[in-house]
Amino acid sequence: QSVLTQPPSVSAAPGQKVTISCSGSSSNVGINFVSWYQQLPGAAPKLLIYENNVRPSGIPDRLSGSKSGTSATLGITGLQTGDEADYYCGTWDSSLDAEVFGGGTKLTVL
Amino acid sequence: QLQLQESGPGLVKPSETLSLTCSVSGDSISTDIYYWGWVRQPPGKGLEWIASILYTGRTYYSPSLRSRVTISVDTSENQFSLKLSSVTAADTAVYYCARRRGGRNYFDYWGQGTLVTVSS
Repeated sequence: QSVLTQPPSVSAAPGQKVTISCSGSSSNVGINFVSWYQQLPGAAPKLLIYENNVRPSGIPDRLSGSKSGTSATLGITGLQTGDEADYYCGTWDSSLDAEVFGGGTKLTVL
Repeated sequence: QLQLQESGPGLVKPSETLSLTCSVSGDSISTDIYYWGWVRQPPGKGLEWIASILYTGRTYYSPSLRSRVTISVDTSENQFSLKLSSVTAADTAVYYCARRRGGRNYFDYWGQGTLVTVSS
C-alpha cells in the first residue's frame, strides 16, 4: 500500500490528452514539493517534473504538473506512442521523515 | 555529465547481507546541495525508497527498512554504499542509486539499476 495514491492505469488515443492524479495527505503532498518520473520498460526512472510544475531541460512542454491541496496532477498532451510507460509521483513525507512514491500508473496510448 | 553506476553481487543468499556501491562520475559527491540515495523496485512492482545520505554522513532511512539498512559515503572515492542485512526473497529487486536535490524532493540523476536476487 503506497502512501501516495495513483490510478493503476490510464489510456488515451494518439494526439489526445491524459492526466494522472497523485493523492496524498497534509504531511506529504499538502506541504512538500511533488516530482514526477517516467519509467520506460527496462529503464531507470527519468525525472519529468520537479517542484510541482517545473520541467527539467529537455522535457517538452507537452508535459505539465500542477498541485492543489493534497493532490497533484501530471498532464500530457499530444500523446505519442513513445509516451507509453509507467509514471510515478514522489515527495517527502514530513511525518514519516521519508521519501514516498505513488504506486505508479501505466499509460497506454491506444 | 553526471553518471551513477551501481555495482555489487547479483545473487545473495537468504539471511546474508546485500552490499552495493554507487560510483559517481562527472561531479563531486561532496556537495551541500545534493543527497545521494538508494531506491529499489521489486519485479513488476513500484518504486521504494531505501535511504539517502549527505556527504557529511547525515542519513535518512526508510522507516520500514531502518533496522536492516546502513548507507555510507566515501568522499575520497566519490562513491556511496548500501548494506541490507538479513535479506529474504522479498528483497529481490532492481536497486537504483540516484542523486536527490536537498529540500526540493526530487531525484534528478539515476543509475541504470542492478538486479539483486535473493536465493539459495
